[in-house]
Amino acid sequence: GQQVMQIPQYQHVQEGEDFTTYCNSSTTLSNIQWYKQRPGGHPVFLIQLVKSGEVKKQKRLTFQFGEAKKNSSLHITATQTTDVGTYFCAGPFPTGTASKLTFGTGTRLQVTL
Amino acid sequence: NAGVTQTPKFQVLKTGQSMTLQCAQDMNHNSMYWYRQDPGMGLRLIYYSASEGTTDKGEVPNGYNVSRLNKREFSLRLESAAPSQTSVYFCASTRGYEQYFGPGTRLTVT
Repeated sequence: GQQVMQIPQYQHVQEGEDFTTYCNSSTTLSNIQWYKQRPGGHPVFLIQLVKSGEVKKQKRLTFQFGEAKKNSSLHITATQTTDVGTYFCAGPFPTGTASKLTFGTGTRLQVTL
Repeated sequence: NAGVTQTPKFQVLKTGQSMTLQCAQDMNHNSMYWYRQDPGMGLRLIYYSASEGTTDKGEVPNGYNVSRLNKREFSLRLESAAPSQTSVYFCASTRGYEQYFGPGTRLTVT
């Protein structure tokens, strides 16, 4: 079946440092979504990428979709304590079925002062 | 709008007991989902309902049943709880691609 892996599983940074999480799918994706889950909270949608090579920015967050549409990354510039949480990527399952998602394993980000 | 609501927030069951997790959304969404979240495993889809009256199995359906009661409500039933079903359960809904999640139910089976 489709697998979506993320690395690293966990990262601890000092406030102000940059952070990147990588997402890799075993199959080509029609699109990829990113979600953020704060500790003790529920996942919240951040963004969807659809086109090969697409790059989107949301303030300090930069999202990329790979040329082959099998990988994606989320980069946070100058992290803040408000960035703490787990970041998940998710792809349609199976490919093309927009309504069901396979979630990645997540990257937990810890930011300290 | 309340968005997606789930009850209860917390539950402790003994092995073999049954219970139903309730989920409701007020956003007029067609599709609804049940996920479980275990440490290090991300979110795994249990069941899914594309529209009122239809349900479909996800990645980990064994030990669960669902009912799409109407467009608003989608319930998840554990007929005979097992310790392996200790988890956090999230309900979600969508009209298009963005999924909206409820606050979750933390279930412990002893």
